[in-house]
Amino acid sequence: SQQGEEDPQALSIQEGENATMNCSYKTSINNLQWYRQNSGRGLVHLILIRSNEREKHSGRLRVTLDTSKKSSSLLITASRAADTASYFCATVGGSNYKLTFGKGTLLTVNP
Amino acid sequence: NAGVMQNPRHLVRRRGQEARLRCSPMKGHSHVYWYRQLPEEGLKFMVYLQKENIIDESGMPKERFSAEFPKEGPSILRIQQVVRGDSAAYFCASSEYRNEKLFFGSGTQLSVL
Repeated sequence: SQQGEEDPQALSIQEGENATMNCSYKTSINNLQWYRQNSGRGLVHLILIRSNEREKHSGRLRVTLDTSKKSSSLLITASRAADTASYFCATVGGSNYKLTFGKGTLLTVNP
Repeated sequence: NAGVMQNPRHLVRRRGQEARLRCSPMKGHSHVYWYRQLPEEGLKFMVYLQKENIIDESGMPKERFSAEFPKEGPSILRIQQVVRGDSAAYFCASSEYRNEKLFFGSGTQLSVL
């Protein structure tokens, strides 16, 4: 299966701390994407990193990709209570047309 | 740009009835995806369509489920003869480029009584 798996399943931190979430996948990919979902809402695209990229930044977000280890990490710096949400990685690769999602990491940022 | 619009937001059906879920993609997006989500779980891929064509329906049960994305009008996910196990949140997404930067709707919560 192409599906990525996030780790940890749940993460609870204090406001101002950094949050790191990891994603592992099984086969080669074209790109890897991170999405956020607030409870009961649709997913929101955060960042896309291509297989030939190693690191990407967007505001307080930093994503790394290690294709040799088939893993990615999402770092949120200086977290805020509003960052509380579930975070999913999604992958698609090769001739696969499906963008598949992991089960997500539930991040809770305590004020 | 109004974003991806899904309706209805909530749909209640009795067992054996039909459910029709609608999705209007963002303007300029020709790629549409349907996903299903159960509580506390990730999204399960159902079907990927690109204007009038089904590209990948490998995640959609062969029986009772169908999807379309006509030249004019919204994409429709149709579930015939619903059963209790069909109860879930169904999300539609669209994108300008295949499998990149999907924009999601707010979902349709289907409840089967």
